Amino acid sequence: DQQVKQNSPSLSVQEGRISILNCDYTNSMFDYFLWYKKYPAEGPTFLISISSIKDKNEDGRFTVFLNKSAKHLSLHIVPSQPGDSAVYFCAARSWNQGGKLIFGQGTELSVKP
Amino acid sequence: DAGVTQSPTHLIKTRGQQVTLRCSPKSGHDTVSWYQQALGQGPQFIFQYYEEEERQRGNFPDRFSGHQFPNYSSELNVNALLLGDSALYLCASSLEGAGTEAFFGQGTRLTVV
Repeated sequence: DQQVKQNSPSLSVQEGRISILNCDYTNSMFDYFLWYKKYPAEGPTFLISISSIKDKNEDGRFTVFLNKSAKHLSLHIVPSQPGDSAVYFCAARSWNQGGKLIFGQGTELSVKP
Repeated sequence: DAGVTQSPTHLIKTRGQQVTLRCSPKSGHDTVSWYQQALGQGPQFIFQYYEEEERQRGNFPDRFSGHQFPNYSSELNVNALLLGDSALYLCASSLEGAGTEAFFGQGTRLTVV
């Protein structure tokens, strides 16, 4: 039972353009969502998060949008840079499950110069 | 400020053997979670420790056990290793309370032959 899904295994974007990574979830109890970035041979690095009481959170080039009615969130990276090339994981946490994170399968982003 | 550190970084074990992986949390963090990441998948939650007690457990067999020490560091033990246990094992630390993101170590790559 995949509660968090990232349906695009890969995404290729030109440098300077926008990257949009998508994530869908099924559990209505999720109240906190996070995006992590992972380079090969490194652990996931926290990128940005959003609480379910908000619909948008912005941090520099990174913006996360949450659509609760559609159970969908997206990460926008503008402008995309070659150093953004990595695997991006969407994760969700339920208010009644403590710190347990449920991860999606990941989307590999490639930003081409 | 040292982040989350894990040891060893790589490990090769034979089927049926036992393995212990270690994790030191980020300074100031009191909660440690362990995740298993198979190739091409997102991290899967194994269990979480807080105040030296296992607080939550994911869908993993009893062969997977853990411990948290008074200094908040943690161990993950896996008995009777199977080929399918080959994966990247990630440790994440956080501070108890809502709205705090988890910080991950670089992981231990376990190969079972």
